[in-house]
Amino acid sequence: AQSVTQLGSHVSVSEGALVLLRCNYSSSVPPYLFWYVQYPNQGLQLLLKYTTGATLVKGINGFEAEFKKSETSFHLTKPSAHMSDAAEYFCAVCHSGGYQKVTFGTGTKLQVIP
Amino acid sequence: SQTIHQWPATLVQPVGSPLSLECTVEGTSNPNLYWYRQAAGRGLQLLFYSVGIGQISSEVPQNLSASRPQDRQFILSSKKLLLSDSGFYLCAWSLLGGANTGELFFGEGSRLTVL
Repeated sequence: AQSVTQLGSHVSVSEGALVLLRCNYSSSVPPYLFWYVQYPNQGLQLLLKYTTGATLVKGINGFEAEFKKSETSFHLTKPSAHMSDAAEYFCAVCHSGGYQKVTFGTGTKLQVIP
Repeated sequence: SQTIHQWPATLVQPVGSPLSLECTVEGTSNPNLYWYRQAAGRGLQLLFYSVGIGQISSEVPQNLSASRPQDRQFILSSKKLLLSDSGFYLCAWSLLGGANTGELFFGEGSRLTVL
């Protein structure tokens, strides 16, 4: 079984400040990990993913995340928040297999304060 | 390039009426197809997935059904809607088999309000 926990359903940061969105997972096998972003009334868009290899993963719009196996974490960061980063962010986990069942966290809404 | 289309974008239906949401993928063959429902504060709930024409797996018992009449077409239906069916429905696709790294490609979503 696998699960995802996102700490903080709402996060507020000032424009230009560091963005840190937390994600912890549980998985009985090596996981694939994802961050998706959703703007209001739209579908989800992939920000970045970790499958194997380098544990620091860079994504679109200046976001990055680090896979830390010992902490079972995959936190999302961005050095400097922009107003356009205001959205809802979802962490997700799956593992390799014939059918890959993806489990999503409950999401974190990011507010950027000017 | 691959694209995914969902329609209608918005739907308001009375309780007890039927439902049909349609999703079409272009630019790829033999995709895995998925229907998710999103409720506020609850993340995404997988409703159905399909690995091929006519092959549908249901993840949760509910008032909804899904069909895949063609390789790149996925339909979500209900014969009689309930108030609890209201929500934001998302169709998604992924690559099949060994090429699949779990990445999902989502449509724009369909917001259903049942009154």
